[in-house]
Amino acid sequence: SQQGEEDPQALSIQEGENATMNCSYKTSINNLQWYRQNSGRGLVHLILIRSNEREKHSGRLRVTLDTSKKSSSLLITASRAADTASYFCAPPAGAGSYQLTFGKGTKLSVIP
Amino acid sequence: DAGVTQSPTHLIKTRGQQVTLRCSPKSGHDTVSWYQQALGQGPQFIFQYYEEEERQRGNFPDRFSGHQFPNYSSELNVNALLLGDSALYLCASSLRGSGQRSGNTIYFGEGSWLTVV
Repeated sequence: SQQGEEDPQALSIQEGENATMNCSYKTSINNLQWYRQNSGRGLVHLILIRSNEREKHSGRLRVTLDTSKKSSSLLITASRAADTASYFCAPPAGAGSYQLTFGKGTKLSVIP
Repeated sequence: DAGVTQSPTHLIKTRGQQVTLRCSPKSGHDTVSWYQQALGQGPQFIFQYYEEEERQRGNFPDRFSGHQFPNYSSELNVNALLLGDSALYLCASSLRGSGQRSGNTIYFGEGSWLTVV
């Protein structure tokens, strides 16, 4: 069954460095969303990328989508301590489905 | 512009009791979904409501039920609570749906932390 799987599970970097998180999924999709979650809080929407887009930017965030490899990546440039959070990709469950699927996320720690 | 709002933020219930969680969608949105997130896990889809009807349901027992009101707000009810129901319950809203069928942006609320003792 469909599920977004993030890699790595945990990532620790110094402030100012770039952070790259990867996402793989199993079945064809027409869109994919990325979210951030601070500890114990709700999900914050970052970017939605559609299957006809290969790359999308929002501020310091860059998301790519490779539908042939069924993968996506999230790049955070010039990271800040405030970027410390868990990051989730959320592909749809599949054709005819309204639900999003989530893996366990990537836990990013940015050290000041 | 108010985002997705949920209440209560935290609550503690005893095993066997019933709980009701509430959600108001983002202004202009007509679709509400509910997700359960256990500690250390990603959110799991419970169900989605659109036009006051349950449109799709995930793998959750009938103890989980919901309702959507004419103003698009929604409630999640859980009966006969189990210890394993302890989790963060997230409400998400969108316009006319989400997922593969519509591809619209989905916004989440801050969640309701439920502890069952």
